[in-house]
Amino acid sequence: DSGVTQTPKHLITATGQRVTLRCSPRSGDLSVYWYQQSLDQGLQFLIQYYNGEERAKGNILERFSAQQFPDLHSELNLSSLELGDSALYFCASSGGTGYNSPLHFGNGTRLTVT
Amino acid sequence: EDQVTQSPEALRLQEGESSSLNCSYTVSGLRGLFWYRQDPGKGPEFLFTLYSAGEEKEKERLKATLTKKESFLHITAPKPEDSATYLCAGVGGNNRLAFGKGNQVVVIP
Repeated sequence: DSGVTQTPKHLITATGQRVTLRCSPRSGDLSVYWYQQSLDQGLQFLIQYYNGEERAKGNILERFSAQQFPDLHSELNLSSLELGDSALYFCASSGGTGYNSPLHFGNGTRLTVT
Repeated sequence: EDQVTQSPEALRLQEGESSSLNCSYTVSGLRGLFWYRQDPGKGPEFLFTLYSAGEEKEKERLKATLTKKESFLHITAPKPEDSATYLCAGVGGNNRLAFGKGNQVVVIP
């Protein structure tokens, strides 16, 4: 058990809808990362937060947004969903801002857009 | 753009048949090379971090090595429980972790 909790485990929704994915990091970790994993693309970095502030941005679409709250949990909001957004979304946490300490991943949210 | 390429994509091994997985990287100013294990339906689980060429790390039947262009994950006398997808990732000067697509390993009893 990595200590990172993601909810929900599965999400099925229709095109055009909006969903929110939630992540609770490991106790004591200040950084939260969001990744998207699809069969053909592998793990793609979306965004990183450190202690409530956005730290780095990757290949995140404008339709997607995220935030980290004072209690350090994070939410990833996906709007105007398209079929191509179907994927596994992983949250990871670490103690620092960079990669000196390894990332610890949750078990993901599987999003299916129909 | 940083790139990480893993080969072979898929590998079937008999139990006890040792093999190696390859991770080739072009990461500017490499600061760390990571190996993760991912089981179906689960998130990646951290295995090793390598920081400089020549470094080696071991854990049970797994040994990771690093050169200036690639990393290898050697699996010695694998068991069925070693079946998983192994992910390689590199981080460089841009402080972004770039993942490869993984090596899917199946160990047959």
